Amino acid sequence: GAGVSQSPRYKVAKRGQDVALRCDPISGHVSLFWYQQALGQGPEFLTYFQNEAQLDKSGLPSDRFFAERPEGSVSTLKIQRTQQEDSAVYLCASSLAVSAGGGDTQYFGPGTRLTVL
Amino acid sequence: GNSVTQMEGPVTLSEEAFLTINCTYTATGYPSLFWYVQYPGEGLQLLLKATKADDKGSNKGFEATYRKETTSFHLEKGSVQVSDSAVYFCALNPSGANSKLTFGKGITLSVRP
Repeated sequence: GAGVSQSPRYKVAKRGQDVALRCDPISGHVSLFWYQQALGQGPEFLTYFQNEAQLDKSGLPSDRFFAERPEGSVSTLKIQRTQQEDSAVYLCASSLAVSAGGGDTQYFGPGTRLTVL
Repeated sequence: GNSVTQMEGPVTLSEEAFLTINCTYTATGYPSLFWYVQYPGEGLQLLLKATKADDKGSNKGFEATYRKETTSFHLEKGSVQVSDSAVYFCALNPSGANSKLTFGKGITLSVRP
């Protein structure tokens, strides 16, 4: 596809349910990032993959959050036993990662808005 | 650690007014700096970027200059349009690695006809 896609676009979960959020990056992009955006705030980093390797998961708020990218393309962010504080927009971004200088552009998907009741 | 500070909003301007949105950062080394924009109902998209000191990023009439001496990357536009109404985020990417972006809180710009 032309851009990063995410599904579902909206998800409503009851407290305690597990959810899975999907990200399809731009074809050929090596790097994939997940961010969490609370209402009225900027996105905050959750985790980063280079191909299938998860190189940084320092932003995951608890062990209820788990991400994977088994074949180096599609990624899934899973949240177990959801809590109300997990309500946010979850953004996925991908980049080519051809530059070691940090200047690569990250292309963002439309996000998944998660509401936990 | 790394951080980005944006001026408080929201900002409301009349069409054709001059726009400045302030952004300052704290980081070690030489980060790359970005402005992202989020139009109503749409996802984040890159507006412009600068990867080294004194670089000027520009796009769609917007400009920002990477000022290492003042650790700033202020966004400017000489004449705003109604279609510029959006949320603007300043962000940095640390030097030496293709890694996570650190964002500011964002500022909402409304341009009235």
